Amino acid sequence: DAGVTQSPTHLIKTRGQHVTLRCSPISGHKSVSWYQQVLGQGPQFIFQYYEKEERGRGNFPDRFSARQFPNYSSELNVNALLLGDSALYLCASSPDILVANTEAFFGQGTRLTVV
Amino acid sequence: AQSVTQLDSHVSVSEGTPVLLRCNYSSSYSPSLFWYVQHPNKGLQLLLKYTSAATLVKGINGFEAEFKKSETSFHLTKPSAHMSDAAEYFCVVSEAAAGNKLTFGGGTRVLVKP
Repeated sequence: DAGVTQSPTHLIKTRGQHVTLRCSPISGHKSVSWYQQVLGQGPQFIFQYYEKEERGRGNFPDRFSARQFPNYSSELNVNALLLGDSALYLCASSPDILVANTEAFFGQGTRLTVV
Repeated sequence: AQSVTQLDSHVSVSEGTPVLLRCNYSSSYSPSLFWYVQHPNKGLQLLLKYTSAATLVKGINGFEAEFKKSETSFHLTKPSAHMSDAAEYFCVVSEAAAGNKLTFGGGTRVLVKP
């Protein structure tokens, strides 16, 4: 069974550019969440999507946006990149966000470097 | 609001000795608690989760954690460390009322000495 897949695995961008990160959840999972992990810190919640609707947003600027497609895959977009956006971006899929104790399954992440 | 504090940013143990990683949490509702492990250049892997069925939870690779509501703690232990246990460990809390969004602690990096 395929796990959570993210693309690309690594990315180098210049300040001011735009980036799109992609995530395919585990088959049958309807929820995708995005997390940012800055070096040396724990992951921070960015967005949660369930059944193609945004269900939660963390404390990130409007430069960050996301969407979920009919096949439940998701994209994370970041505009006007800053050096501080350099991080590992993790995607997590869950079968259902409405059930307690739901486990999240993580992809390998996309390492974004802004220069 | 939910939050997690991991009391040690680094833990160093000798191979074959016990490992203790400390975690305290804050939650407005009945929380779900997890421990995840992250090996270098790898994604996050679930070690174990607390689901209110039992306060002592057993996970993979010999790890276990004990939920203590009175102390709002969820410490992770392993009786005998192995070299392969060297990694970053994250204590995580979520609440169904908050859509099961995960709140991570700052992480504890474990070094295992031969």
